[in-house]
Formats: sequence, structure tokens, C-alpha cells
Amino acid sequence: GAVVSQHPSWVICKSGTSVKIECRSLDFQATTMFWYRQFPKQSLMLMATSNEGSKATYEQGVEKDKFLINHASLTLSTLTVTSAHPEDSSFYICSAMQRARVYGYTFGSGTRLTVV
Amino acid sequence: SQQGEEDPQALSIQEGENATMNCSYKTSINNLQWYRQNSGRGLVHLILIRSNEREKHSGRLRVTLDTSKKSSSLLITASRAADTASYFCATDAAGNTGKLIFGQGTTLQVKP
Repeated sequence: GAVVSQHPSWVICKSGTSVKIECRSLDFQATTMFWYRQFPKQSLMLMATSNEGSKATYEQGVEKDKFLINHASLTLSTLTVTSAHPEDSSFYICSAMQRARVYGYTFGSGTRLTVV
Repeated sequence: SQQGEEDPQALSIQEGENATMNCSYKTSINNLQWYRQNSGRGLVHLILIRSNEREKHSGRLRVTLDTSKKSSSLLITASRAADTASYFCATDAAGNTGKLIFGQGTTLQVKP
């Protein structure tokens, strides 16, 4: 079946530094990927839609200059949290759409970001 | 923004019992999907039901969809301790955005 690999699974960084999270579709091409954020014991909040070869579309309230998304190929999307602060600490999850309306979406395993 | 609500927020049952979770949403949809998330992990797709379907089964899972009430339910029969997880409904809104909007989730605990 479709597999989405997300790395790293966890990262600790200092305030002010930037962190890059990768999301790869391993056995299919994903023209569209989605990035979500999840706080403890809460649901997933959609941050942005990443389209291969074009600029990402951000949801209302999400700072595009803080959360840089690049979807340079059909199998890779990256999320960079720039100048991270403790309030950016969260669980970030990507998903890829492959014939989503028939089979549903495939999610990565998530990245736990802790900013100290 | 969240699409809707799920209830109950938390559910605790004994192994072998059935668990029912409900989901409500706000907009017209292409389909509704249910996912499971074990603590601190990614999501696992359980079942997808299209807007023109009313009921769907997959193993011990039964999903219903009532588009007139904008609601769905997930029934897990003969629950097992391994079913302990959080369950989320997610809607693929009508239109071609492809975005999934998640409900608040139900935390299920199945006691052995």
C-alpha cells in the first residue's frame, strides 16, 4: 500500500533556530500534500496545502513566513519552522493524496517538535 | 478551522463491548473518513464513506452517514484492548480542494 515517510520523528531545538521536516511518498507520486499541526489531546489543524511546483496555500491564521513549505518534486514536501519559539512546540503531521476520494489519505508518522 | 464535533469526547468500555462514536459536520461533503491515532503516532485510515452512501462495513467497523443531519457514526463491535486509541472523523468538503477537516476526536479506552 501507499506509504508516507516523515522525518525526523522527533526533534529538539533551541529558540531562534530553524527546523526542517521532510515528508516523502515512497511508492506513489503525490501532487498534493497537506501539513497539519496537533497540540496535545487536541485534533489536527490543517496548516497548508502543498502543491508540487507551486506555492503552498496556507490556512487562515498560519504565518507563511514562519512555516515555509516547499514541494519541489512529486515525492517530497518539506516544512521548515523558521526562528522557532517554544509556542511552536507541537506534533506536525503530513499527508499525501493519492486518489483520495477512493482510498483516503496516507499520513506520515508525525514529528514531535520541542523548542527549548 | 474545525469542521464539527465528535461525541463523546472520551469513552471507556470493557473488552467485548461495542463502542459508538458520533461526528457532526457543517458543510456539504464529497466523503467522510474515519481515522485512528495511537498516542503520539500518525493516523491510520479506517474507512471512507461517500456522500451518496448511507452505511459501510469493514471487519468490525460499521459507519453510517446521514447527510440530511450532517452526521456520521462509527461503531466498533466486539472491542479489544488493542482498539484503545483516539478516533477522528474527517470530511472532504464538496468542491475540489482535497482538504481534510478533522473533528475533535473521541478517545476510546478498552479495558481488558
